[in-house]
Amino acid sequence: DAGITQSPRHKVTETGTPVTLRCHQTENHRYMYWYRQDPGHGLRLIHYSYGVKDTDKGEVSDGYSVSRSKTEDFLLTLESATSSQTSVYFCAISAGWGEKLFFGSGTQLSVL
Amino acid sequence: GESVGLHLPTLSVQEGDNSIINCAYSNSASDYFIWYKQESGKGPQFIIDIRSNMDKRQGQRVTVLLNKTVKHLSLQIAATQPGDSAVYFCAENSNQAGTALIFGKGTTLSVSS
Repeated sequence: DAGITQSPRHKVTETGTPVTLRCHQTENHRYMYWYRQDPGHGLRLIHYSYGVKDTDKGEVSDGYSVSRSKTEDFLLTLESATSSQTSVYFCAISAGWGEKLFFGSGTQLSVL
Repeated sequence: GESVGLHLPTLSVQEGDNSIINCAYSNSASDYFIWYKQESGKGPQFIIDIRSNMDKRQGQRVTVLLNKTVKHLSLQIAATQPGDSAVYFCAENSNQAGTALIFGKGTTLSVSS
């Protein structure tokens, strides 16, 4: 997890509230990703970024938005949290597309 | 659809034994493969990788074997230790727009002493 910091580590929120998860890297890697991990589904890509202000959708992007204003920071926002978004969220980085990812420690999000 | 999968969801071994964790892939266009280890409550940790121009690659106590003929990937852990207990999963580069890597669902390795 060196070089990647996720915050918060744990979050409990209510349905309908906005939530922002933060990822900070010190590796100066170009690519940053947000994944969610759920039992029976493995890791699924939500959104990714290939540069400052350059982002794109992954396979499970509905209900999520992202922003990247600096190379080192990548934010994931749930505009109106739902119970189906209860999950563990991981930020990851890579030097190149399709290269190995390095993951953060994760954020456990519970939407009640 | 094409995906990476693992043969066994769980594997139990004794301390000191060698462990073999398997993974089958279906995308013949994949040319890069990675093994990750995930301990409880932590993020996935990179273990070892291999490119399709190689059949075998060794690390510290770990070896990855790639058989492109049958689209099979394996991770061998020598002298397994209790600290090796974790979920292991493989990943492949998808070469598909919007999907950096395709991850398998994982094998839980339990090491008893």
